[in-house]
Amino acid sequence: GIQVEQSPPDLILQEGANSTLRCNFSDSVNNLQWFHQNPWGQLINLFYIPSGTKQNGRLSATTVATERYSLLYISSSQTTDSGVYFCAVVGTGGFKTIFGAGTRLFVKA
Amino acid sequence: DVKVTQSSRYLVKRTGEKVFLECVQDMDHENMFWYRQDPGLGLRLIYFSYDVKMKEKGDIPEGYSVSREKKERFSLILESASTNQTSMYLCASSLTGPSYSGANVLTFGAGSRLTVL
Repeated sequence: GIQVEQSPPDLILQEGANSTLRCNFSDSVNNLQWFHQNPWGQLINLFYIPSGTKQNGRLSATTVATERYSLLYISSSQTTDSGVYFCAVVGTGGFKTIFGAGTRLFVKA
Repeated sequence: DVKVTQSSRYLVKRTGEKVFLECVQDMDHENMFWYRQDPGLGLRLIYFSYDVKMKEKGDIPEGYSVSREKKERFSLILESASTNQTSMYLCASSLTGPSYSGANVLTFGAGSRLTVL
């Protein structure tokens, strides 16, 4: 089945710093989403981005489907950005969403 | 916005009890999913349903069953709870299947943290 790899696995930032999270996937996809899991455990959808570039405030994402990767950019990080970021994909013709292992981000005040 | 509501945020049950986890979505989504999340193991799919009364096994269905009698409701059932089913359970829904060319966003509920003693 499709493999999803995220890097880095852990990231510590000083408040105000910028960061880039990466997601590589092994096959063509219909769907790709970035999620943030908050401290209470809920997964919040950040971007639905099977291709192209989107921005939402301090966050933006780019997916290059032909090269099978996606990037999540966090600018001017805040302590509330802390948590785990997941990349999740659905392979072409599939039903199941496959999750990466996540990037655990800690932003220090 | 799509809302996915899980009935219980925290549950504590005894070994051998029958446990029901309920999930309701309010946007007429066809697909519904149950995942469990454990430290070091990530999110694993237990069961999913792509229509009323339809169900498909995910990656770890053993020890679980599901029910989807109405489109908006997807229940996860632990027939006889065991300590190794202590976990965070996450319900999600999405609009439709792979033939849809539009945005098929997966939306999660807040999660149900189950402890089996």
